[in-house]
Amino acid sequence: EAGVAQSPRYKIIEKRQSVAFWCNPISGHATLYWYQQILGQGPKLLIQFQNNGVVDDSQLPKDRFSAERLKGVDSTLKIQPAKLEDSAVYLCASSPGGQQKLFFGSGTQLSVL
Amino acid sequence: GQQVMQIPQYQHVQEGEDFTTYCNSSTTLSNIQWYKQRPGGHPVFLIQLVKSGEVKKQKRLTFQFGEAKKNSSLHITATQTTDVGTYFCAGRESGGGADGLTFGKGTHLIIQP
Repeated sequence: EAGVAQSPRYKIIEKRQSVAFWCNPISGHATLYWYQQILGQGPKLLIQFQNNGVVDDSQLPKDRFSAERLKGVDSTLKIQPAKLEDSAVYLCASSPGGQQKLFFGSGTQLSVL
Repeated sequence: GQQVMQIPQYQHVQEGEDFTTYCNSSTTLSNIQWYKQRPGGHPVFLIQLVKSGEVKKQKRLTFQFGEAKKNSSLHITATQTTDVGTYFCAGRESGGGADGLTFGKGTHLIIQP
């Protein structure tokens, strides 16, 4: 079974630039999450989708971050404009739904200079 | 909002010694999950606890969920070098509308041969 796919693996940008991350969840998984993991810390939930609807985006900095999951399958997370403090690994995870375990992708490591 | 705290932040052990990490939530949880993240890797699901006072074992790993469903622990017996990594607990708030997990900061396990 294919896992959660994410791209790119690494991204280096300068502050105030924009960046986008892509995620393709495990086939059939209704729930998709984007987490931000700053070095040395635990993952922090940014946004949760159930199919193509947003369930929770309470911790998403909406002035600069946006995410969409068109057609309820793959998803993109965008940052515009990026700040130095956005340097982190952005993890996508999916689950079949309900309160089940999460399957994480390998993440995108973002460095903002 | 919900907070999940883990202690210790770092734990150095000699190979063969035991290891325990503790997790405490500021709110009652519907369930708690544990994940392991190897250096440079992504979180991988270990186990989910749902019932008050539940104890589950996986070979050398023992997981407990507190009676009040606000705390949990992971104990590893006779650590091996393959146990190196960061162990995260992640909880779902009881009665919460969304089911996104709140992660602790993790306990980094360092094993000296």
